[in-house]
Amino acid sequence: DTGVSQNPRHKITKRGQNVTFRCDPISEHNRLYWYRQTLGQGPEFLTYFQNEAQLEKSRLLSDRFSAERPKGSFSTLEIQRTEQGDSAMYLCASSFSRVGTNEKLFFGSGTQLSVL
Amino acid sequence: AQSVAQPEDQVNVAEGNPLTVKCTYSVSGNPYLFWYVQYPNRGLQFLLKYITGDNLVKGSYGFEAEFNKSQTSFHLKKPSALVSDSALYFCAVRSGGYQKVTFGTGTKLQVIP
Repeated sequence: DTGVSQNPRHKITKRGQNVTFRCDPISEHNRLYWYRQTLGQGPEFLTYFQNEAQLEKSRLLSDRFSAERPKGSFSTLEIQRTEQGDSAMYLCASSFSRVGTNEKLFFGSGTQLSVL
Repeated sequence: AQSVAQPEDQVNVAEGNPLTVKCTYSVSGNPYLFWYVQYPNRGLQFLLKYITGDNLVKGSYGFEAEFNKSQTSFHLKKPSALVSDSALYFCAVRSGGYQKVTFGTGTKLQVIP
C-alpha cells in the first residue's frame, strides 16, 4: 500500500492559464474522488469515478473543470482559464468498494493551487 | 440533500481529561457516518465509521463515537486526551443511495499539556 499520490504538491499560476493535476490512487481501489478544500472549510465534493466512469459531478464543478480517469487507474483534474476563486487545496481520495461494503476513503496530501 | 454541522470551531481540553467533539447530521434515509482527522501538513486520515449495529463505535488511536438517531448526532469521544491528539477533526456523512460523502467544516482540537 503506497498510498494515494498527488502531483504536483503546489501549483502557482496566473489568472487565465490552464492547470492540470494528477492523482494516482491505491492500485486496487475502484473508486476515485476529487474534493476541494479552502482554509477554514471542510472538503467539498467535486466528482467521483467508479473505475473509468464518472458517475457524479457537483454543481460546484463549472464548465471550466474537467476530470478524467482513463482505464480506471490514475485521474487528472484540469481547470481551464483559472480564476482567483479557484485557489484552494485539491484533494484526491480513493476507496475499494463492492456490493455490501461501505468503504473508507484514503486521501492524498493534495495539490495546493494559487492563482495570482 | 445531506449535511453535517460541527458547531464548535475549536475545542480546548487539558491533557488526560476526556474530550468530546460534536457533530450533527441531516440525511435522507439511513446515514453512514464517519470521522476523519487532519494533522498539519498531512492528508485526511480515517478514524472510524458507523454503518449499522452498536451505537458506540470504536476507532483508531483510542477514539470512539456514539450514534444517536433521535438527536441525529455522532459525537466523537476519547476518555483521556493526549497532546498528540491536537489536530483538525472532520465529521462526514453519506446516505445509502449515494456515494458522495459530505464533510463538516471541521473542529480544531487543542490538547493543553
